[in-house]
Amino acid sequence: AQKITQTQPGMFVQEKEAVTLDCTYDTSDPSYGLFWYKQPSSGEMIFLIYQGSYDQQNATEGRYSLNFQKARKSANLVISASQLGDSAMYFCAYMDTGRRALTFGSGTRLQVQP
Amino acid sequence: DAGVIQSPRHEVTEMGQEVTLRCKPISGHNSLFWYRQTMMRGLELLIYFNNNVPIDDSGMPEDRFSAKMPNASFSTLKIQPSEPRDSAVYFCASTLADLSTDTQYFGPGTRLTVL
Repeated sequence: AQKITQTQPGMFVQEKEAVTLDCTYDTSDPSYGLFWYKQPSSGEMIFLIYQGSYDQQNATEGRYSLNFQKARKSANLVISASQLGDSAMYFCAYMDTGRRALTFGSGTRLQVQP
Repeated sequence: DAGVIQSPRHEVTEMGQEVTLRCKPISGHNSLFWYRQTMMRGLELLIYFNNNVPIDDSGMPEDRFSAKMPNASFSTLKIQPSEPRDSAVYFCASTLADLSTDTQYFGPGTRLTVL
C-alpha cells in the first residue's frame, strides 16, 4: 500500500517569507499524482496544486509551487511571500491512476506570524 | 458555479440512532468520494463511486455503514446504528475522472457527533 509522510507536525514562518512543507511518498507505481490541500480553521478542504509523476516541470500555482524530486520520492510544497491567511493545516495526498482515491498524509500545521 | 454541497453541516445524535449524510457533487463530475476525518486516523477514504457504481468500499468500517448513489447528482452515507466512535467530520468530494489531473473538489463536510 502507498504510504505518504509529512514529518513536520507544525511550522512557523514570518509574514512575507517563504516556507517549505515536506512530503515524501512510497510507491512502486509508475503513474501517480500528488496533491496538496489546505484546510483552514473553518474546516473546508481547498485544493492548491497538483503534480503528475510524468510531468517534466514542477507545478506552480500563483504563490504555490511544488518541488518534485521523483528519485527521492518527495513532493514538497513551497509557499512564497507568506500571508497571515496562509495559516492552516496543509495535507499532501497521493493518488495512483488505478485506484483514484486519495491517500493523505498526517498534515502540517502552518502558522504565519506578523 | 456551485461546488460540492453537503447536508447537514452539523449533526448531533444519540447512540443507536440512524444518521444519513447527503452529498450533491459538482454538476458534470462522474466520480464521488466519501472521506472521514478524525484526530486519531486523519483523513481516510470510506467509499468511492464512478458513474454511480461503487468501485472501492474497502474503507467502510463495518456493516453499520452503507452508501448509495442513485443518480449522478446525489449520494447518501448512512450509519445505522450510530456509535460514539463514529463522531468525525465526513467529507464528500467529486471529480471528473479520465482527465489528466483527476483533481477532487471537496464539500464543506458534515460534523457528526454521536453522544
